[in-house]
Formats: sequence, structure tokens, C-alpha cells
Amino acid sequence: KAGVTQTPRYLIKTRGQQVTLSCSPISGHRSVSWYQQTPGQGLQFLFEYFSETQRNKGNFPGRFSGRQFSNSRSEMNVSTLELGDSALYLCASSLAQGSEKLFFGSGTQLSVL
Amino acid sequence: GESVGLHLPTLSVQEGDNSIINCAYSNSASDYFIWYKQESGKGPQFIIDIRSNMDKRQGQRVTVLLNKTVKHLSLQIAATQPGDSAVYFCAEIQGNALNFGKGTSLLVTP
Repeated sequence: KAGVTQTPRYLIKTRGQQVTLSCSPISGHRSVSWYQQTPGQGLQFLFEYFSETQRNKGNFPGRFSGRQFSNSRSEMNVSTLELGDSALYLCASSLAQGSEKLFFGSGTQLSVL
Repeated sequence: GESVGLHLPTLSVQEGDNSIINCAYSNSASDYFIWYKQESGKGPQFIIDIRSNMDKRQGQRVTVLLNKTVKHLSLQIAATQPGDSAVYFCAEIQGNALNFGKGTSLLVTP
């Protein structure tokens, strides 16, 4: 069974641009969560999607958004990029909403110049 | 606000020794905790979990201890191997999301 797949693996953008990251969950998993990981702040929860609806949201500005498709694949978008958005963005899937056991992908490393 | 934190940012152990990684939490209402391992270039990988109605749980070469009185949990790795070198995170359920600690880097030396 394939794990969580995130694309692209690396991304370089400049300030003010927008970016879209993609996540394919484990087959059969219906919940997708996104986390931001930085050396200073560690892992911080962005949001969770289940059945194409955002079920839970962390403390991030509205520039961070996401969506989930009917096949459970998810995308997250960051608009008007800032230098501080440079981070590893991790996607995790689980069987059900609010499930405690998350399976993480390898992440997308975003660098904002 | 309440948070999960780690006592030591780095830990160096010799191959074959036992490792102990500590974690303090401040939310006394937390009832579920997880340890994750993150190797370089990879996402966090689930190691072991424990609920607040337990004091100890054992897995393969790993043991998690929970002390609710002092709000502390630890991860013990027996006979540490080079492949155990990674960053270890404790996490607690907060609302419907996992709240992660900052992580401890474990370095296994030959």
C-alpha cells in the first residue's frame, strides 16, 4: 500500500507569489491534515479536511487555505508569500476525522526568497 | 498558552546503550500522547502511543512511561542502534489536532 505522497518535493518562490502544494493520502484514508514545520516553531497544525470539508483549523492567517477533492486528495495554497512562510509543509492522512494516528508524507520544502 | 515541551534538544548515546527521551506537558486534561520519529528528509513516523489511563506501554524495543502527577512522559529505547538516530517528538491531542513538542535530536555513536 502506497504511503502519503506529496508533490512537489522542493519549491522555490519569491515574496508575493502564491503556491499550491498537493497531497495524496493513503488509499482508503478520508482525512487529510496539514502541518507546517520550521526550526523555530516546530510542527504547527494548519487545518484538517474530511469529506471535502474543512473540519478543524489552526492559528494561521487567511493566506493559508486548502481544499479536498472527492477522491480525498488535498491541496493547500499560500497566497502573497512572505519570507517567514519558508518551511517544510507536511501532509498527514488518517482513516477518519479527528483520528489520532496520523501517517505523514515526506513533505514539501518551500523556500521563499 | 498550554504546550508540550521537551527537556533536552539533543541526546548522544553509544550504540547498544539505552536511550531516554523526556517530554513535559502542561495541559492536565490531555488524555492521549504519541511519540513520533522523524529521520532526515522524511516525515514523522508513528512509534508508540499511550492513553492517560495507563502508566506504561511497551512496543518493540520502545517503552513509553506516563507520569500524570508531574505531567511528564518519556520514551525509552532499548539497545539503541544507528538507525535510531533521528528527531523524536512527543505530541498530545489538543482539540482535534495534534500539538507537537519541539523535538529531541538523538545521535547514536559507534
